[in-house]
Amino acid sequence: SQQGEEDPQALSIQEGENATMNCSYKTSINNLQWYRQNSGRGLVHLILIRSNEREKHSGRLRVTLDTSKKSSSLLITASRAADTASYFCAPGRRSGYSTLTFGKGTMLLVSP
Amino acid sequence: EAGVAQSPRYKIIEKRQSVAFWCNPISGHATLYWYQQILGQGPKLLIQFQNNGVVDDSQLPKDRFSAERLKGVDSTLKIQPAKLEDSAVYLCASSFGGVSTDTQYFGPGTRLTVL
Repeated sequence: SQQGEEDPQALSIQEGENATMNCSYKTSINNLQWYRQNSGRGLVHLILIRSNEREKHSGRLRVTLDTSKKSSSLLITASRAADTASYFCAPGRRSGYSTLTFGKGTMLLVSP
Repeated sequence: EAGVAQSPRYKIIEKRQSVAFWCNPISGHATLYWYQQILGQGPKLLIQFQNNGVVDDSQLPKDRFSAERLKGVDSTLKIQPAKLEDSAVYLCASSFGGVSTDTQYFGPGTRLTVL
């Protein structure tokens, strides 16, 4: 397994603004997942993007993947206070059983 | 569908005592994971089961931690004896097949405090 590294470590914005967080990884991947963790709902899967995809949308979430740069970004548009959480990326390796390795995450604070 | 269940939710023990956590995964999920999450860090995988066999336990401190998955369903994680640095949230997760594209579903966790 390999670890993704999220950047920035912390991000503070106002409601209605967009939030962008980034993830870098070191070796070839099959896919990359983003998870969110808050006190209310625990750790929850947000979105998966495969290595042959460049961009994916889900509601207010937009994920991009650049395999040449070994990086991904998660954009949350029109942020809400309920988006306050830690966000983790988890690169998935190519074959066989896969374990996810989480970095320290990006802590997002959305203020009303 | 019912989610991943864990118990207890909180546990306080003294160092050198033993403790056990229980997890019931989502019905039909073959893969079960135990993670340790220390405050300010991301979850760290301790052990991964595929049915009742171990797929990955490379980060499990085997001198004090043990885990089993009975009949490929429920699982228990035990710490004996506990150390101060074991204070953390222990998360259980399950997924359908265990491949990298699977979504992992997490339980609420057990918060362990070792005094």
